[in-house]
Parts: sequence; C-alpha cells; structure tokens
Amino acid sequence: DIQMTQSPSSLSASVGDRVTITCRASQSISNYLNWYQQKPGKAPKLLIYAASSLQSGVPSRFSGSGFGTDFTLTISSLQPEDFATYYCQHSYSTSITFGQGTRLDIK
Amino acid sequence: EVQLVESGGGLVQPGGSLRLSCAASGFTFSSYWMHWVRQAPGKGLVWVSHISSNGGSTSYADSVKGRFTISRDNAKNTLYLQMNSLRAEDTAVYYCARVRGLDTRDFDYWGQGNLVTVSS
Repeated sequence: DIQMTQSPSSLSASVGDRVTITCRASQSISNYLNWYQQKPGKAPKLLIYAASSLQSGVPSRFSGSGFGTDFTLTISSLQPEDFATYYCQHSYSTSITFGQGTRLDIK
Repeated sequence: EVQLVESGGGLVQPGGSLRLSCAASGFTFSSYWMHWVRQAPGKGLVWVSHISSNGGSTSYADSVKGRFTISRDNAKNTLYLQMNSLRAEDTAVYYCARVRGLDTRDFDYWGQGNLVTVSS
C-alpha cells in the first residue's frame, strides 16, 4: 500500500497567518491527491481534489499544489473557522490511504 | 440536496455482528460508487471498503477482508456494511461516503458517522 505522511502533525497559528501543510507519498501518485478538513464530531469535508482543484463552495484562501510524491495545502489567511484537522488522501489506486492528519489550532 | 444518513451502529460484544446502513437521497444513487471509511476514537481516517455503482465490484482493506461485506440496494437507495467476527480494534465511527464523480476516488459527500463499539 502507498503510505501518506503529513507534516507537521500539529501546528499553532494565528488568525491572518499563512499556513502550509505538507503531504508526501511513498511512491509517485501523479496528481491523485486530495485534501479534507475535519472538525470535532463532524464528517470530513473535501477541500481540494486532484492536487490543486478547489471543490465547489470552498473559499479561495485554500489552495493545493504538487505532483508525484510531494504535495502542499496552503491557507493564505487563516480564519477562525479554519482551526481543524486536515488530512491528505491518495486516490491513485483502489487501496486508498489517508495521511495521519495535521491538527491546526489557535496560537 | 444530497444526503447520506447512517444507521445501525451501537455496542456489540467481541465476535458479534452488526449491519450498518446508509440511506442516500438527493442524487442518482445507482450512478455512484460508494465507500466506507472509519475513524477510531482520537485517531485518523482509514478506508474500509468500496462498491461499484451496480454492486458488481467490491474491495476491502486487509484488516476487514473476510469479515466485512459491503453491498447495496439501488432500488432502496441504500448502502450496507455487514460486519461479522467483530474485534475490539473495529471500534470506530463509520462513515459512508460518495465519490465525487465517475472514475474518481475522492469523496464529496459523507454520512454523519455511526459509532460502533466492540466491547464485553
């Protein structure tokens, strides 16, 4: 199975900060990389698919980039509602795996 | 409005069985592959299983293969997960999820989550 490794595991930031989360795949996955946001007690929410495509209804301050094995999720100016846990997920093969998550909390 | 409403979770003893259901509405259920994803308490997301739009193709994570069975009834717009020989490590919130489109494996709609607790 393809292993997905996120960094950092946790991150403290302030409203208005620019934040970047990294996801690395154990082998090349082309652009088959997706990002989700999850708040406590809630289902995950799709933010970015195919590495850089913004899901409908997601604010433009979220962006994704990368190809192959290295990917990033960037939040350009943190808003209070962005404090949550973020997961990457590869969709390169039928055996889907998620990263371990990055918890983003308020500094 | 797309909705996925789960039911069937609860407390079960080790070795027992449980069937989860996911009732879909607001879209043409029979056109979409569907997946189950679980999340142990305080842990990350783990893919469990998928089923093709017509039910003819299924796949499972190694951790549940031979114990769990995914199925669907397109006439009832419902997805199922039959879980047998349950273990303590199966304790988790189980989510059903819809793929975003044809030939995709990212998930744009999720159920509310259903807690399964395996304990004596």
